[in-house]
Amino acid sequence: DTAVSQTPKYLVTQMGNDKSIKCEQNLGHDTMYWYKQDSKKFLKIMFSYNNKELIINETVPNRFSPKSPDKAHLNLHINSLELGDSAVYFCASSLITGSQETQYFGPGTRLLVL
Amino acid sequence: DQQVKQNSPSLSVQEGRISILNCDYTNSMFDYFLWYKKYPAEGPTFLISISSIKDKNEDGRFTVFLNKSAKHLSLHIVPSQPGDSAVYFCAASGVSGYALNFGKGTSLLVTP
Repeated sequence: DTAVSQTPKYLVTQMGNDKSIKCEQNLGHDTMYWYKQDSKKFLKIMFSYNNKELIINETVPNRFSPKSPDKAHLNLHINSLELGDSAVYFCASSLITGSQETQYFGPGTRLLVL
Repeated sequence: DQQVKQNSPSLSVQEGRISILNCDYTNSMFDYFLWYKKYPAEGPTFLISISSIKDKNEDGRFTVFLNKSAKHLSLHIVPSQPGDSAVYFCAASGVSGYALNFGKGTSLLVTP
C-alpha cells in the first residue's frame, strides 16, 4: 500500500534523450511536489502543483516540464537530457497547500545521464 | 543561499545513549519545522515536526526542541537503537509557496 510511488526507480539514458518520470499518490492529497537531490545531497524544490495547478516553479530549466493529469498524479518530463541532470528526483505530496503541512515522499528515481 | 544548516555531517552514538542532532536556520519567516529520516535508496520518511508557536514536541523516543530566538532546533533520540542509523534531514517551511527547505543531513550511526 505505497502512499507515494514513483516509476521508474532507476533510469539510465544518453545525453540528448527525452525521458519521463511518473508519480502517483493514493493519500487523497491536493498538493504534489518534485524535489531534486544533487550530488552534494542537497534536496531542493523544483515544482509544486495544487489540484492540477502549478503553484511553485523554481529556477529550473524549461527542459523540465511537470504535468498533472489529475490531482493524484504529477509527472516530470525532461527534454534534451544533460549530464548535469543526473540526480535523484523525489516526488512528494501534502494534504493541502499551506504552512504546517507535512509532506510525504516517494522512494525516488535515480537518473543517470551518460 | 542555504537557509537551513546542519553543521554536523555525521554522528556516532552508542546504543542506549542519547542522540542529539542539531539544525540552524536563517529565515525568521519559517513557521514549521520537520525532521525526516532517510535510509539509502529510499525516500525521506517523516519523523516529527514542530510549529513555531511551540518549543517542544515529543513522540515516543523522539523529541524536537525549538529555540526561535537562536533560530535553532534539535532532535533528541532516547534511547538510541541500531535501527535509528540513517541520515536525518532537518527541513523548514513557511515561505516560497510552502516548499520545504532542507539541510544537508546528518548521518547517524548507532553502534551496539
